[in-house]
Amino acid sequence: AQRVTQPEKLLSVFKGAPVELKCNYSYSGSPELFWYVQYSRQRLQLLLRHISRESIKGFTADLNKGETSFHLKKPFAQEEDSAMYYCALSPNDYKLSFGAGTTVTVRA
Amino acid sequence: DVKVTQSSRYLVKRTGEKVFLECVQDMDHENMFWYRQDPGLGLRLIYFSYDVKMKEKGDIPEGYSVSREKKERFSLILESASTNQTSMYLCASSLAYGGSYEQYFGPGTRLTVT
Repeated sequence: AQRVTQPEKLLSVFKGAPVELKCNYSYSGSPELFWYVQYSRQRLQLLLRHISRESIKGFTADLNKGETSFHLKKPFAQEEDSAMYYCALSPNDYKLSFGAGTTVTVRA
Repeated sequence: DVKVTQSSRYLVKRTGEKVFLECVQDMDHENMFWYRQDPGLGLRLIYFSYDVKMKEKGDIPEGYSVSREKKERFSLILESASTNQTSMYLCASSLAYGGSYEQYFGPGTRLTVT
C-alpha cells in the first residue's frame, strides 16, 4: 500500500523568504504526485502535478524517485501563500492518498 | 467551471441518528469520492464510485455506506452516527479517462455528532 508523509505540521516563514514543504512517499511503482492547497474559507484545489512540470503561483515541485520525495518550493514567499498544503499520490487508479498536511503561515 | 456542491455546510446530529450527506457535481464526471478531513490525519478516503450504482471501499469505510443512483449525485450515509464520526466531510469528483487524476472538491460539510 502507498503512503505519503509530510513531516512538518506547521511552517512559519517571513515574507520574501524561501519556503520548502517536504513530502516523502512510499510506493513500489511509478505514481502520479500532486500538491493540493486549501486557502482560508476556500475549497481544496489542485496546485500542481508532477507530470505537468509546471510552475504555479511561483511554486515548483521536483519528483526525486531515488529519494521518493516530491518537495514543494517557492523562492520568495508571499502573504497570500498562507494556507494548508497537502501532498497526494495516485497509483494510477484515480484514487488519491493524501499526507497529513502542512499549515504554512507567511508573516509580514 | 467545475462545480461540486454539498447539501450542508454545517450539520449537528445526535448519537444513533441516521445521517445523509449529499454531493452533486455538474461536470459529467464518472468518478466521485467521499473523504473525511481531520487535523493531523489529512484526508482519508471513505468510499469511491466509478459509475452509477458502482462503489468501492476506501481506507475507512466502517460505519458508512454510499449511494449513487444518478451520475451527478453521490450520497454518504451514516447508518447510526457516533461521536467519533464528528469531522469535516469532503466530496470530490474527477474524470475517468485521459490520465488526468485531478479531483475537484466541494466546500465540505462539518458534521458534529453529540
